[in-house]
Amino acid sequence: QTVVTQEPSLTVSPGGTVTLTCASSTGAVTSNYYPSWFQQKPGQTPRALMFSMNNKYSWTPARFSGSLLGGKAALTLSGVQPEDEADYYCLLYYGSSNTWVFGGGTKLTVL
Amino acid sequence: VQLVESGGGVVQPGGSLRLSCAASGFIFDNHWMIWVRQAPGKGLEWVANISPDGSGTFYMDSLRGRISISRDNTKDSLFLHMFGLTVEDAALYFCAAAGGPWREAAYWGQGALIAVSS
Repeated sequence: QTVVTQEPSLTVSPGGTVTLTCASSTGAVTSNYYPSWFQQKPGQTPRALMFSMNNKYSWTPARFSGSLLGGKAALTLSGVQPEDEADYYCLLYYGSSNTWVFGGGTKLTVL
Repeated sequence: VQLVESGGGVVQPGGSLRLSCAASGFIFDNHWMIWVRQAPGKGLEWVANISPDGSGTFYMDSLRGRISISRDNTKDSLFLHMFGLTVEDAALYFCAAAGGPWREAAYWGQGALIAVSS
């Protein structure tokens, strides 16, 4: 069974920079996994932030960016705002089965 | 884009259920559609998706054989049939729409809650 792993929790100061990562049990994550990122605030529906590793939706704030880092997908928040406190989920595509798998999520605290 | 789920409720263990999702605000039959679930206090789980014309369906490994995704493009509707429900299937089930190639789950509904209890 494929497992996608994220940091369970991270803390960042307002105005700071933080990087969340997303690893696959199958090996290094590449652009062929088409990494996506989602934000979910308490009691709210998830919101898509990034697709295909580093592409933003029209509603995604400029301070969010996506990349590959050390064999993992990464989401970097630069100039973190208090409203960025949320759970963040990555989503990876597995071409061998044409399925997608979410990571376990990272709880980001802005403190 | 608007996605509105319905059909949730309480089901007995071993029972079955059909969730529906009414879509509006976009050209439904141009988009892949997805079901995602979230158990209380837990993370997101990708459940299944279906191609724009309905010919391609793909399922989460552990649920394959107990669920069926389908769509009716004449009614801009998406469905999820679930069989042999267990307590582990209790969750909020979200309908989502792809925003284009590789833009899985760009748009989300508010979810439909399934509880499994005797």
